[in-house]
Amino acid sequence: KQEVTQIPAALSVPEGENLVLNCSFTDSAIYNLQWFRQDPGKGLTSLLLIQSSQREQTSGRLNASLDKSSGRSTLYIAASQPGDSATYLCAGLIKAAGNKLTFGGGTRVLVKP
Amino acid sequence: DTEVTQTPKHLVMGMTNKKSLKCEQHMGHRAMYWYKQKAKKPPELMFVYSYEKLSINESVPSRFSPECPNSSLLNLHLHALQPEDSALYLCASSQVGVRGEQYFGPGTRLTVT
Repeated sequence: KQEVTQIPAALSVPEGENLVLNCSFTDSAIYNLQWFRQDPGKGLTSLLLIQSSQREQTSGRLNASLDKSSGRSTLYIAASQPGDSATYLCAGLIKAAGNKLTFGGGTRVLVKP
Repeated sequence: DTEVTQTPKHLVMGMTNKKSLKCEQHMGHRAMYWYKQKAKKPPELMFVYSYEKLSINESVPSRFSPECPNSSLLNLHLHALQPEDSALYLCASSQVGVRGEQYFGPGTRLTVT
């Protein structure tokens, strides 16, 4: 079974600190990896998509990296703000999973003012 | 426009009712998805439509019946649901193929009484 794992499940940081969110996957045959944000009771907002041929993507304060050889992706959020409090989900489009998005369990982030 | 819309936002139905969820996108995407999400869990794939044809059914009970009447619309017909079917139902769309980014709607919060 192909798995995507996010550790830790929850994270609390003071405002202004940089956030580092981890995602690991068991199969290097990954087409792309997508990071999402979800606020309570809401839908998923796509943050960044990294294709398998790319090493990283950046958007504003967000930077995501992809290392297929080690089966890891990391989402960096610089200078965190209370508005960054949400659940962050990573999802890989993995060949062995039938070209379906396989989600990690998510990391719940709380940024304290 | 990267918006996926879903109606209704909230739905309460009895176990003998018939209701439908609606999803719409105008991004020209030819792949559309239904996901089910329980509290504090990642989304679970239910159905995938590709070019208006059902391509993936994740062994979903027949009380859930999807329909894709055209390239912009996706419906989920509900009948004789159980209380355990209460969840957030998310619609998503993407380009067909392994490079497409999935865009999610805000979801329908379904409560079965």
